Amino acid sequence: KAGVTQTPRYLIKTRGQQVTLSCSPISGHRSVSWYQQTPGQGLQFLFEYFSETQRNKGNFPGRFSGRQFSNSRSEMNVSTLELGDSALYLCASSLVWGGNTEAFFGQGTRLTVV
Amino acid sequence: QKEVEQNSGPLSVPEGAIASLNCTYSDRGSQSFFWYRQYSGKSPELIMFIYSNGDKEDGRFTAQLNKASQYVSLLIRDSQPSDSATYLCAVNNQGAQKLVFGQGTRLTINP
Repeated sequence: KAGVTQTPRYLIKTRGQQVTLSCSPISGHRSVSWYQQTPGQGLQFLFEYFSETQRNKGNFPGRFSGRQFSNSRSEMNVSTLELGDSALYLCASSLVWGGNTEAFFGQGTRLTVV
Repeated sequence: QKEVEQNSGPLSVPEGAIASLNCTYSDRGSQSFFWYRQYSGKSPELIMFIYSNGDKEDGRFTAQLNKASQYVSLLIRDSQPSDSATYLCAVNNQGAQKLVFGQGTRLTINP
């Protein structure tokens, strides 16, 4: 069974540009969450999607957005990139939304903003 | 007060000994608790989850949960050098898929 697939694995972007990251969850999983990991702040929740609807959002500016497609694949977009957006972006896949259910992470996309 | 707190370490344990990792959380409404292992440069890997008070064992790993004390721990028996990693405690509250992570404890197993 394939795991969570994130693309691309690495990205280098310039300040002011925008970027789109992609996540394909485990087959049959319908919930996708996104996290940002930095050395200073650790792992922080960005947002979560289930059935193409955003169910929860973390404390990030509106430059960070996402969406989910009918096949449960998800994308997140960061516009007007800032140097502080350099981080490892992780996608987590869960079978369902809410309740006691485990989340499995993809390999992440490492974004460097220069 | 941070929502999920862990001792950042580093925690150094001799090979074959028991490693004990601790985590406290502030939200009494928290429902589920997870331990992830993260090797340097890799993504977090789920190793244990626990939903009810008490102990849960899986191989060399035991998770312990005490909701009254808002405390969750992970014990690693017969520690191996391959267990050297950062261990992240995560708490799921609000009944949704929003994991709140601690800062992680860096564990080193010395041969």
